[in-house]
Amino acid sequence: AQSVTQLDSHVSVSEGTPVLLRCNYSSSYSPSLFWYVQHPNKGLQLLLKYTSAATLVKGINGFEAEFKKSETSFHLTKPSAHMSDAAEYFCVVSDNPGKLSFGAGTTVTVRA
Amino acid sequence: EPEVTQTPSHQVTQMGQEVILRCVPISNHLYFYWYRQILGQKVEFLVSFYNNEISEKSEIFDDQFSVERPDGSNFTLKIRSTKLEDSAMYFCASSPKSQGVGYGYTFGSGTRLTVV
Repeated sequence: AQSVTQLDSHVSVSEGTPVLLRCNYSSSYSPSLFWYVQHPNKGLQLLLKYTSAATLVKGINGFEAEFKKSETSFHLTKPSAHMSDAAEYFCVVSDNPGKLSFGAGTTVTVRA
Repeated sequence: EPEVTQTPSHQVTQMGQEVILRCVPISNHLYFYWYRQILGQKVEFLVSFYNNEISEKSEIFDDQFSVERPDGSNFTLKIRSTKLEDSAMYFCASSPKSQGVGYGYTFGSGTRLTVV
């Protein structure tokens, strides 16, 4: 069985400061992990994915995430937040091809 | 960049009516999916589809739901007799592979279904 826990339902940061979104997963097998972002009234956009290659994954818009098997974590970071980063972020795990399990989401607010 | 297109973006229907949600996956993708997100809840898997048949479905995907790929481009989700609890955002997704390095899912913008 696979599941995801996003540890923060809401994160508020100032523009230009780092962003950290925390995600822990559980999986019976070697999982694939993803981060998706959803801007208001938009679809789910893939930020980055881990599929058993390098443990530090770089994504779009300056985001990156590190897969830590010992901690069963896949936290998302960005060194400097931009106003356009305000959105909802979903951590997603898949150890069953085709079936994704989503976290509850983290809403990011960016203060000017 | 290739996109998954969903229509309509919003649909309001009366309880008991049939609805068809439409999706055009990315043209060279082979695997197709439907997910839904009830307001305030997690995104949930409904069904996966490959080679013109259902690969896997969740317990949510009961007999009132069906999927079809009627031609080479469209992928549809039909809800036969809608209930109030079917109100949700429905996302279509497609992927070129089912697993392995390089695979990934592209999601559409969603159809917001409201059952009244």
